[in-house]
Amino acid sequence: GEDVEQSLFLSVREGDSSVINCTYTDSSSTYLYWYKQEPGAGLQLLTYIFSNIDMKQDQRLTVLLNKKDKHLSLRIADTQTGDSAIYFCAESMPGTYKYIFGTGTRLKVLA
Amino acid sequence: ETGVTQSPTHLIKTRGQQVTLRCSSQSGHNTVSWYQQALGQGPQFIFQYYREEENGRGNFPPRFSGLQFPNYSSELNVNALELDDSALYLCASSLGGESNQPQHFGDGTRLSIL
Repeated sequence: GEDVEQSLFLSVREGDSSVINCTYTDSSSTYLYWYKQEPGAGLQLLTYIFSNIDMKQDQRLTVLLNKKDKHLSLRIADTQTGDSAIYFCAESMPGTYKYIFGTGTRLKVLA
Repeated sequence: ETGVTQSPTHLIKTRGQQVTLRCSSQSGHNTVSWYQQALGQGPQFIFQYYREEENGRGNFPPRFSGLQFPNYSSELNVNALELDDSALYLCASSLGGESNQPQHFGDGTRLSIL
């Protein structure tokens, strides 16, 4: 089946780390993505990971993938107020061309 | 490098009307995908165009149709608009027709149906 789940809200204090979690159901997914959406804007690609890799780090962002549990997480180090946004996890389906998105996690950073 | 641009940014229509939304892909990209994002939801895949041909379609009725032009820009057409068509319509471009190429999104067209 095709389903991507995320928790709806996360609130952190400025300077703390944020961890946004995602679970997906299709074990044949090839790539997994994290996008950021600010109010009134489209989706900004943050990072992506191939499904046979466990971890990827890109500056303040760390992606962890547990393929056995079909669990993906995005860690944002030293979270800033500018990181407040909705974060979407997405998986690409092999043999098709579509991304399946979660419902998004709204991150609120408190000063 | 020019990013994905969409027009118009906002549009108001009434039930039964028809609408055309436009998208210019990022330079160097030959594939365009369209998504519908209802309020409070994640984007839902409508269809994808690669080299001017439809290259995959989501669970949307035939009144949602599209085109891709030789310069890789694209249009989304929706006929017989319904209230539930009110949403943000997102265009994304990528290189190649393979699902593993990251898709880069425009800022969307917000469509309101009265």
